[in-house]
Amino acid sequence: AQSVAQPEDQVNVAEGNPLTVKCTYSVSGNPYLFWYVQYPNRGLQFLLKYITGDNLVKGSYGFEAEFNKSQTSFHLKKPSALVSDSALYFCAVRDLNTGFQKLVFGTGTRLLVSP
Amino acid sequence: EAQVTQNPRYLITVTGKKLTVTCSQNMNHEYMSWYRQDPGLGLRQIYYSMNVEVTDKGDVPEGYKVSRKEKRNFPLILESPSPNQTSLYFCASTQGEGVNTEAFFGQGTRLTVV
Repeated sequence: AQSVAQPEDQVNVAEGNPLTVKCTYSVSGNPYLFWYVQYPNRGLQFLLKYITGDNLVKGSYGFEAEFNKSQTSFHLKKPSALVSDSALYFCAVRDLNTGFQKLVFGTGTRLLVSP
Repeated sequence: EAQVTQNPRYLITVTGKKLTVTCSQNMNHEYMSWYRQDPGLGLRQIYYSMNVEVTDKGDVPEGYKVSRKEKRNFPLILESPSPNQTSLYFCASTQGEGVNTEAFFGQGTRLTVV
């Protein structure tokens, strides 16, 4: 079965420093990977996706993610964190076994950016 | 503006009292889903619909019903809510069958069953 793991419940970083939120995946076949962000009292917002092609994917709000097939990872990164980036981040993989409809989510990582 | 709208945003109810959470999308998407979000578990799919009158169970369908009579609407029905259904619920819609299409999510409904 398709699955993703987010090994860190929380990541703390100072404003202006680079940030990384980790995600590893387990899939049969080609992975179709997504990152979503959830701000307080808001729904999930799409950040970026990897389908095929360049291993470095650029997304919204200055975020990017690096796909690494050998390490089965899809870490989310940003060169310089902002306090406003503080939110809950979810990695997800498309479950092709049940049709393209289903996303399988990780447990989420809370990012706290301190001033 | 393209959006998925859920109502209500917050709901407190008592065990056994039937309730419906509505979901509507204005993007003409074929696919719609319901997820529940619980701490430490991420989001889990409850039900999904591939088009009008076509629905199927997700990972955690017990205690829930859905219907898809119109393309834009996908209500979630709890016939007899129980405290273990206290959760944050999200509706999502997706365009077409492509693996590369992202899902659009509503703002969530926080349900408390006492």
